[in-house]
Amino acid sequence: AQSVTQLGSHVSVSEGALVLLRCNYSSSVPPYLFWYVQYPNQGLQLLLKYTSAATLVKGINGFEAEFKKSETSFHLTKPSAHMSDAAEYFCAVSDQGNDMRFGAGTRLTVKP
Amino acid sequence: DADVTQTPRNRITKTGKRIMLECSQTKGHDRMYWYRQDPGLGLRLIYYSFDVKDINKGEISDGYSVSRQAQAKFSLSLESAIPNQTALYFCATSDYRGDGYTFGSGTRLTVV
Repeated sequence: AQSVTQLGSHVSVSEGALVLLRCNYSSSVPPYLFWYVQYPNQGLQLLLKYTSAATLVKGINGFEAEFKKSETSFHLTKPSAHMSDAAEYFCAVSDQGNDMRFGAGTRLTVKP
Repeated sequence: DADVTQTPRNRITKTGKRIMLECSQTKGHDRMYWYRQDPGLGLRLIYYSFDVKDINKGEISDGYSVSRQAQAKFSLSLESAIPNQTALYFCATSDYRGDGYTFGSGTRLTVV
C-alpha cells in the first residue's frame, strides 16, 4: 500500500521567512499527492494536489509543491511566511483516487 | 451551510456505551469516508463507501461499524465504546475521481 512520511513533526519559522515542509511518498503506481491544512478546531482543507499533470503545483494562500519522481518527494513551500500560516499540515497519497493515506502531520509555528 | 456536516461536534461517553456519529453532505458526491485523527499519527481510515450499496473496511475498522443510509448520509457507530477510541473523528467526501476530499469539521469523542 502507498504511504507518506513527513519529516519533522514541528517546524518553526520567522514571519517573512521561507516555509519548507517535507514529504516523501511510497507508491507502487503513479500516485496522486496532496497537501492539506488544518487550523485549530477545524477540518482539513485542500491546499493543492498533484494528479499527473504539471510537476510544479500551485495552491491556495501562496503555497506550492513540486513532484519529484526521482526523489519520491512532494515538498511544500511558501516564499514568505505569514502569521496566518500557523497550522498543521498533512501530506497525503492515493492510488489514483483510491485509498488516500495521510502522513503524521507537521505543525508550523510562525514567530513574529 | 457547510458542505459536510458532522454531529455532534463534541461528545463524552462512558465505556461500554453505544454511540453513533453522523455525517451528511450537500456536495452530491458518491464517495464518503470516516477517519480518526490521533496526535502524531495523522488520519487513519476506518471505513469508506463508494455508493449506497458499497461499504468497505479501512485500516482500523475493528470496534466500529457504519451505515450508508442515503447518498448524502454516512454514520459511524461504536458498538461498545472503549477509552482508546478517544479521538477526533472526521467524515469526508469525494467525487468518483477521488482527487481531493472535502472534510467535515470533526467530532471530538472522549470515552471515560
